[in-house]
Amino acid sequence: QSVLTQPPSVSGAPGQRVTISCTGSSSNIGAGYNVHWYQQLPGTAPKLLIYNNNNRPSGVPDRFSGSKSGTSVSLAITGLQAEDEADYYCQSYDSSLSGWVFGGGTKLTVL
Amino acid sequence: QVQLVESGGGVVQPGRSLRLSCAASGFTFSSYGMHWVRQAPGKGLEWVALISYDGSKKSYADSVKGRFTISRDNSNNTLYLQMNSLRDEDSALYYCAKDRMASTGAFDYWGQGTLVTVSS
Repeated sequence: QSVLTQPPSVSGAPGQRVTISCTGSSSNIGAGYNVHWYQQLPGTAPKLLIYNNNNRPSGVPDRFSGSKSGTSVSLAITGLQAEDEADYYCQSYDSSLSGWVFGGGTKLTVL
Repeated sequence: QVQLVESGGGVVQPGRSLRLSCAASGFTFSSYGMHWVRQAPGKGLEWVALISYDGSKKSYADSVKGRFTISRDNSNNTLYLQMNSLRDEDSALYYCAKDRMASTGAFDYWGQGTLVTVSS
């Protein structure tokens, strides 16, 4: 059971908008720690997609965006493309564990 | 360009030890925190350990505390993970990852991983 809770799967048709939620608690997201998002394409290493809740590293399309509210964060992907099909992970720091924690991951399927 | 290349993985019996290495290039290694993250086959990501840019601060996941030791050699741009008393549940692909800054926990570059299999 992951400290950060994500839906196991989401899906959408090309061109649509999808969101992936990540719910934490008062010892991580709710405590104000930053959340980061990663995209892991099949058979590859994870790639930083969003850092510090809503910032995109250079080269990440603006179709990807992050938001935060209370103990939850969300990753939104607009204009869905076939190459977005991947696993997505949220990550934050947990003060109770004194370390970084990941969500269980969400598999995005592009229909 | 930033490159992280892990090595040292393999098949090892439970209770034995293994040392992983991560050779870094393309950035000022001594200025950034570094992490190890693992992923069991078909499973999610698990943070394992952090070492600060100068090696003065280290932290570990509870699952490896007391068994694993993270270290770095800034003169040779290399990160290490010494793994002792290995268990079946330590079997995973081990990634080294560069922190975006000192120790923000945002991992902006990852290696391709080295596979550790613990099995009798």
